[in-house]
Amino acid sequence: GDSVTQMEGPVTLSEEAFLTINCTYTATGYPSLFWYVQYPGEGLQLLLKATKADDKGSNKGFEATYRKETTSFHLEKGSVQVSDSAVYFCALNSQGGSEKLVFGKGTKLTVNP
Amino acid sequence: DVKVTQSSRYLVKRTGEKVFLECVQDMDHENMFWYRQDPGLGLRLIYFSYDVKMKEKGDIPEGYSVSREKKERFSLILESASTNQTSMYLCASNLRGRQQETQYFGPGTRLLVL
Repeated sequence: GDSVTQMEGPVTLSEEAFLTINCTYTATGYPSLFWYVQYPGEGLQLLLKATKADDKGSNKGFEATYRKETTSFHLEKGSVQVSDSAVYFCALNSQGGSEKLVFGKGTKLTVNP
Repeated sequence: DVKVTQSSRYLVKRTGEKVFLECVQDMDHENMFWYRQDPGLGLRLIYFSYDVKMKEKGDIPEGYSVSREKKERFSLILESASTNQTSMYLCASNLRGRQQETQYFGPGTRLLVL
């Protein structure tokens, strides 16, 4: 079945450091790919998404490119801020009629001043 | 703005109690979802509803049931709460029929079963 694997956390960075959170997937066909973020004490919210190969999703300085050849959707940000401290979830939605998201286990990011 | 609200942020219940978690969305979404979130396990789908009175089991439906009598409201029911159901419960909704459609989440209910 479909699955998402993302790097284990927690990840701790200093402010202005470069961030990469790896995400790879297994799915049939051409899934849509998502990154969701969960700030402390809140529900999840969409950070960015990409719906076809080579698409780049971007938002709030974060970017991720849909790479079909490597089945990856790695999240990057050039300069993190303390306010980016959160849990990040990679997810996919397969083709074929299913409207359910498959989530990775989440990566907790802490950014220190 | 899409709004998904959950009836409680925190709940404390006793083992064996019947527990109701309510979720309401205001964007006329057909699909609604209940997840539980546990450390190290991420989000796991409990139940999914794609229309009023329609439901589909997710990955971990055991010990839970759901009710969707109105389009905007989706209830999760713990028939007889157990300590292993202590968790964070998240509700979500989205439009039906489009693979790329974003799911919108509520703030979550943190349930403690004693």
